[in-house]
Amino acid sequence: EAEVAQSPRYKITEKSQAVAFWCDPISGHATLYWYRQILGQGPELLVQFQDESVVDDSQLPKDRFSAERLKGVDSTLKIQPAELGDSAMYLCASSFNRGTGELFFGEGSRLTVL
Amino acid sequence: AQSVAQPEDQVNVAEGNPLTVKCTYSVSGNPYLFWYVQYPNRGLQFLLKYITGDNLVKGSYGFEAEFNKSQTSFHLKKPSALVSDSALYFCAVRDAGNMLTFGGGTRLMVKP
Repeated sequence: EAEVAQSPRYKITEKSQAVAFWCDPISGHATLYWYRQILGQGPELLVQFQDESVVDDSQLPKDRFSAERLKGVDSTLKIQPAELGDSAMYLCASSFNRGTGELFFGEGSRLTVL
Repeated sequence: AQSVAQPEDQVNVAEGNPLTVKCTYSVSGNPYLFWYVQYPNRGLQFLLKYITGDNLVKGSYGFEAEFNKSQTSFHLKKPSALVSDSALYFCAVRDAGNMLTFGGGTRLMVKP
């Protein structure tokens, strides 16, 4: 069964360092999402791509976060510099289109900032 | 703006008993509603969705959900709970702009 791949699964870093997460969506899925999930809370959308274009990044803290999907396939989410409050699970998801279909999630990347 | 409320932080139920996890929503236009389950340190797994049609939706692992438009609710149900159903459950709503918004989650504890 096709899956959304994410790496790394776990990342520990010190504040002010740079960190990057990678996501490879299910083949053929045009829409890709990055969500942030703080422990004990629901996921919150950071950025949504349609192919290589950003559809919604209104909740992305652009002073330190950046996301790209250059060829419309895999995607990278970067944080620089990391802050203590960035400790969370970063979830990538994909869907076939922007319609009514469900999102398929990867296993997530858990970030701990010390 | 759309929103989802899950009024119970935790639901406790004995194995074999029926379970209900509550969800209410607010969205302009027709709602597209989803339930996801999350096990510890894992991503979210899709359980079921309501787009249109029959108000009772059946999904994975014996779960079902009932859409009630007048009460703006989409409660998750299962006739007989299993210990392995213990997990975190999220309700979500998708609007015409296709943004998926999640509730805060409900932890389901099924005791043997």
